[in-house]
Amino acid sequence: SSELTQDPAVSVALGQTVRITCQGDSLRSYYPSWYQQKPGQAPLLIMHAKNYRPPGIPDRFSGSRSGGTGSLTITGAQAEDEADYYCSSRDTNSHHLLFGGGTKLTVL
Amino acid sequence: LQLQESGPGLLKPSETLSLTCIVSGVSVSGSDYYWAWLRQPPGKGLEWIGGASYTGNAYYNPSLESRVAVSVDTSKNQFSLNLSLVTAADTSVYYCATYGTEQGGYFDSWGPGTLVIVSS
Repeated sequence: SSELTQDPAVSVALGQTVRITCQGDSLRSYYPSWYQQKPGQAPLLIMHAKNYRPPGIPDRFSGSRSGGTGSLTITGAQAEDEADYYCSSRDTNSHHLLFGGGTKLTVL
Repeated sequence: LQLQESGPGLLKPSETLSLTCIVSGVSVSGSDYYWAWLRQPPGKGLEWIGGASYTGNAYYNPSLESRVAVSVDTSKNQFSLNLSLVTAADTSVYYCATYGTEQGGYFDSWGPGTLVIVSS
């Protein structure tokens, strides 16, 4: 079955740029959506479609896709960006939804 | 738009989990959304359970399809999850969410989540 793969953990120095990636065959057809989750909170949609940020999401977050890899880039990471990040996409040729295993971002 | 899950927090193995998501701020029959359920075992990642439209179209995670049903109640402006024959592996925080179908899909509004524990 299809799946989405994320690095389990990534770290970034305060103010620097970090890229979180998501790999999967479905991403050859669809842009992933991205979610930020802080401890004890529900996930928050931060990106979907071709680089669309919901209202209130800072513009330091951006998204892209190339081949079967989707990326979430944080330009100038802030302490409050420390969280778990999940990618998601519809499976190719079905209505099933997939999630990556999540990436824990540490801001040093 | 606000979502709020409700239901029992503790179940015994083999029982049926029934959760309701109360929707406020929008009509469940007045939008293009699908109404979705997801879950997250303690300390683990997110899993899509399934979703339904108010017209009755429903889609489920293949790994749960034999045990799950999602329905939308337009008269009460809410939607529900039923998961039968639960085991300890179903212990999770359960979230309801709205699902937009554009592009690769996205879950843009979430309830706060409710912890369900399955234990004898």
